[in-house]
Amino acid sequence: GQNIDQPTEMTATEGAIVQINCTYQTSGFNGLFWYQQHAGEAPTFLSYNVLDGLEEKGRFSSFLSRSKGYSYLLLKELQMKDSASYLCAPMDSNYQLIWGAGTKLIIKP
Amino acid sequence: ETGVTQTPRHLVMGMTNKKSLKCEQHLGHNAMYWYKQSAKKPLELMFVYNFKEQTENNSVPSRFSPECPNSSHLFLHLHTLQPEDSALYLCASSQEGPGGHTGELFFGEGSRLTVL
Repeated sequence: GQNIDQPTEMTATEGAIVQINCTYQTSGFNGLFWYQQHAGEAPTFLSYNVLDGLEEKGRFSSFLSRSKGYSYLLLKELQMKDSASYLCAPMDSNYQLIWGAGTKLIIKP
Repeated sequence: ETGVTQTPRHLVMGMTNKKSLKCEQHLGHNAMYWYKQSAKKPLELMFVYNFKEQTENNSVPSRFSPECPNSSHLFLHLHTLQPEDSALYLCASSQEGPGGHTGELFFGEGSRLTVL
């Protein structure tokens, strides 16, 4: 079957760095998305990885290892506004997104 | 208006009511989606429309009935719902190529549904 595993909740301090891990098992693979969702709001696109390695975009970076079925989202210089849920979603061979339950990130001053 | 807009934002209905959720996208995309989001659970794909044709129906109960009159509008008609159907219903759109899903999803703000 298809499965996504990411931590339910994480806590970090303002100004620090946090890494949110995601492991996945899918039928085929066509890339992996990360989305951010603030409470009561729509999910918004953060990153897309299809090749192994690190993609950097400002304070956010996303890493992929296809052989290990593993990705992480790295957030640097944390700000209070980064408090949100982070959704990992690999795409299977049918181009269907398989969603994780999300990681709720709490930022403390 | 830009992006994906959903109405109503909040809806409370009884189990015998009939209501509809509306979604409109202003992005020129050719695919639209309905998702269900329940607390602490993964997003559940309900329906996909690609070029106005329904290409996905993930075993959704018949009390949910989608309608896609054109590539910019999507409806979800609701009737005789159950309390466990209470959730956030998200609409999304994307630009799909011939091979399948090629672009990121753009979500609406969602319609929060409560079934009494």
